[in-house]
Amino acid sequence: NAGVMQNPRHLVRRRGQEARLRCSPMKGHSHVYWYRQLPEEGLKFMVYLQKENIIDESGMPKERFSAEFPKEGPSILRIQQVVRGDSAAYFCASSTTGANVLTFGAGSRLTVL
Amino acid sequence: EDQVTQSPEALRLQEGESSSLNCSYTVSGLRGLFWYRQDPGKGPEFLFTLYSAGEEKEKERLKATLTKKESFLHITAPKPEDSATYLCAVSVTTDSWGKLQFGAGTQVVVTP
Repeated sequence: NAGVMQNPRHLVRRRGQEARLRCSPMKGHSHVYWYRQLPEEGLKFMVYLQKENIIDESGMPKERFSAEFPKEGPSILRIQQVVRGDSAAYFCASSTTGANVLTFGAGSRLTVL
Repeated sequence: EDQVTQSPEALRLQEGESSSLNCSYTVSGLRGLFWYRQDPGKGPEFLFTLYSAGEEKEKERLKATLTKKESFLHITAPKPEDSATYLCAVSVTTDSWGKLQFGAGTQVVVTP
């Protein structure tokens, strides 16, 4: 079992470009969560998705950020027109239905120049 | 507003020197309190879940306890491999266990 796979592990973007972060949950897990870890800060919840549905996006910035978890393929966190303040580590986590434990991926580290 | 505060921010221990980390929380309705371990460049790794005051859980050199206002993570006779950042998180929503509020973490360094 490969665990939660995130790619790319490191991404460098210039201001104004788009960033796409991908997450493949653990086999058998149908719940996906995205968290952001800013430098010197704790992990902050962004969004909770199930296949083809956004369940809770209360932690997502209202502009430029979107997430999806299609029927086939990985979950994607998309950041349009990136700014320096978007530089952070973005973690994906997955779980099975009813489970109270998250399995985290190794994260994608976004640097905006 | 729900808050999770961890202390100290950093802790340096000699191998074998036991200590405790604190996680205090102010939440409207606690469903569960979680401890995770995070190594540099990696994602958090689950350690424990505690549900109610008085509950305790142990795993190797780690022991987590819970009161109505705080949780402690006790590290007994630590080894260098226990060096990591320890994260505390709470779940308060009835909709999803995975929507967690994390503290900022305690960075633990254990020297030989």
